[in-house]
Amino acid sequence: AQSVTQPDIHITVSEGASLELRCNYSYGATPYLFWYVQSPGQGLQLLLKYFSGDTLVQGIKGFEAEFKRSQSSFNLRKPSVHWSDAAEYFCAVGGTSYGKLTFGQGTILTVHP
Amino acid sequence: EAGVAQSPRYKIIEKRQSVAFWCNPISGHATLYWYQQILGQGPKLLIQFQNNGVVDDSQLPKDRFSAERLKGVDSTLKIQPAKLEDSAVYLCASSEGPLGSGNTIYFGEGSWLTVV
Repeated sequence: AQSVTQPDIHITVSEGASLELRCNYSYGATPYLFWYVQSPGQGLQLLLKYFSGDTLVQGIKGFEAEFKRSQSSFNLRKPSVHWSDAAEYFCAVGGTSYGKLTFGQGTILTVHP
Repeated sequence: EAGVAQSPRYKIIEKRQSVAFWCNPISGHATLYWYQQILGQGPKLLIQFQNNGVVDDSQLPKDRFSAERLKGVDSTLKIQPAKLEDSAVYLCASSEGPLGSGNTIYFGEGSWLTVV
């Protein structure tokens, strides 16, 4: 069965600091990996995705993520956080055919001025 | 391009009552999903449609939840009778095709249900 673990429930950073959100997955084959962001009262917005190819993927809002097969990880990074990045971030894994998307429990990001 | 539309956005009902949520996917999207997101958790897939056929409903509590997608476009998710533990956000999502074909899933803003 596929699963996602986001070890950090809540992270606090200062504005302008760098950010890394951790994501570890379990999947029996090459996974499709996603990061979504959810602001309070809103739906999920796709930040970036990995299907194949270059293991470093760029997304919107200056985010990037790196797929590391050996570590079963897909960590999200941003070099300089803005106050507007405060939200909840979800990592998700899916697969081939009609495989469903499985989400982690999310990491809440708080940004201090 | 219009996104995934959902209504109502908010609903408060008493336990044992019924409720229905409606979803209109992005135009041309053949695959439609309903996810349940309980506070503090990630979304969980309830049901997936490909056109008007059900692909996966393994996590749908079929004794109280039902969903349909007539004509392969709009979809309705119904809960009857509702329980307290059904309080959650119900997210509708759509994609051009199945995830395995490299498609991206787009989410609506959700329908917030509180059962009292």
